[in-house]
Amino acid sequence: GAVVSQHPSWVICKSGTSVKIECRSLDFQATTMFWYRQFPKQSLMLMATSNEGSKATYEQGVEKDKFLINHASLTLSTLTVTSAHPEDSSFYICSARGDRLGNQPQHFGDGTRLSIL
Amino acid sequence: KQEVTQIPAALSVPEGENLVLNCSFTDSAIYNLQWFRQDPGKGLTSLLLIQSSQREQTSGRLNASLDKSSGRSTLYIAASQPGDSATYLCAPGATGNQFYFGTGTSLTVIP
Repeated sequence: GAVVSQHPSWVICKSGTSVKIECRSLDFQATTMFWYRQFPKQSLMLMATSNEGSKATYEQGVEKDKFLINHASLTLSTLTVTSAHPEDSSFYICSARGDRLGNQPQHFGDGTRLSIL
Repeated sequence: KQEVTQIPAALSVPEGENLVLNCSFTDSAIYNLQWFRQDPGKGLTSLLLIQSSQREQTSGRLNASLDKSSGRSTLYIAASQPGDSATYLCAPGATGNQFYFGTGTSLTVIP
């Protein structure tokens, strides 16, 4: 149980393109979803937290206009990287949790490797 | 901001050994702590979740302990197997939201 599906797993696109990444909880309702970014040989950095039906809360230094997050349903959150540039190339991972408080564990997707040319 | 340190950064052991991975964090006001494993190029697999009121959690060959007041957690792996080879991450969590990750311990179990 507790499967999180992330799509696509790999994206290569030209600079200036907008890219949408989907994160779905397949067998549970994800009240809260998180988006992380991971650069090579570094740890995961939390980008934003989204509760279903609410605006996302962004971490300091993360541009909300560049990384658009939508969490319109209990099973789907999307991250759109707008006007992507080579420095946005990274491994993006989402996670989902069945509650807002934190009594339940986070479950992670397999990540999306984004390469901007 | 929470700072997470994991020691050692890398560990190589022969199959069958018992081992301990250490995690320390600077802000003891945590809500819970979760241990994960990450395989190369993949997302994270949840191993154990310890609530702040708990001292330890066990799942199969894994046992995680938490000493919240001193900002420490350990993950004990019994009878290690080659399939245990991965990077292990601990993540102390604040109420509701932020999980902060260290850079993990890269474990290699040699057959």
